Amino acid sequence: DVVMTQSPLSLPVTLGQPASISCRSSQSLVYDDGSTHLSWFQQRPGQSPRRLIYQVSRRDSGVPDRFSGSGSGTDFTLRISRVEADDVGVYYCMQGTYWPPTFGGGTRVEIK
Amino acid sequence: QVQLQQSGPRLVKPSQTLSLTCAISGDSVSSSSATWNWIRQSPSRGLEWLGRTYFRSKWYTDYVVSVQSRITITPDTSKNQFSLQLKSVTPEDTAVYYCVRDTEEGGPDYWGQGSLVTVSS
Repeated sequence: DVVMTQSPLSLPVTLGQPASISCRSSQSLVYDDGSTHLSWFQQRPGQSPRRLIYQVSRRDSGVPDRFSGSGSGTDFTLRISRVEADDVGVYYCMQGTYWPPTFGGGTRVEIK
Repeated sequence: QVQLQQSGPRLVKPSQTLSLTCAISGDSVSSSSATWNWIRQSPSRGLEWLGRTYFRSKWYTDYVVSVQSRITITPDTSKNQFSLQLKSVTPEDTAVYYCVRDTEEGGPDYWGQGSLVTVSS
């Protein structure tokens, strides 16, 4: 299975400051048709995960434009331009290029 | 708007069978562009994909290797739902179980509310 490695494990951030989460895959996530199936999820305490970003950089409907995704091949990044209190939770990357889909271990974002 | 509503027992005895159902509204289990999946989450294993069912002219199922000898995912077109059965459970199967819709966009876009299932005598 493809291993997804996230860093850091924990990310204390000051309100209004930017945050960045890294995700690396054990092999390239480029699919046969050239697409890359890398998604990002937010899980707030006590809630189901919610998809924020798909295909590396496409933002889901209703997701603030403070959230952006980038990367290619095996290295990907989720950025929050200005962290708000509502952003507290655990963030996961996920690859869907290969079966079975696999998730990273998560990055906990907290307010300093 | 797609909604997934999970139901099923929250406490299962060791060696017995875990059974959960996911009722779909706003989409069809027979959709030719979606797959219907079960994922679980536990502190020890993180988020773990278990398997999926989908219709592409005929029905398909795929399971992950770690549970493939114990798992069955079944669609029910008459009730527009799909179900999970996991046999011979042990305490290691204790987790929050989610049903999710996945599409060709990539990544589950709709999740059920989650069901904490505890395996204990």
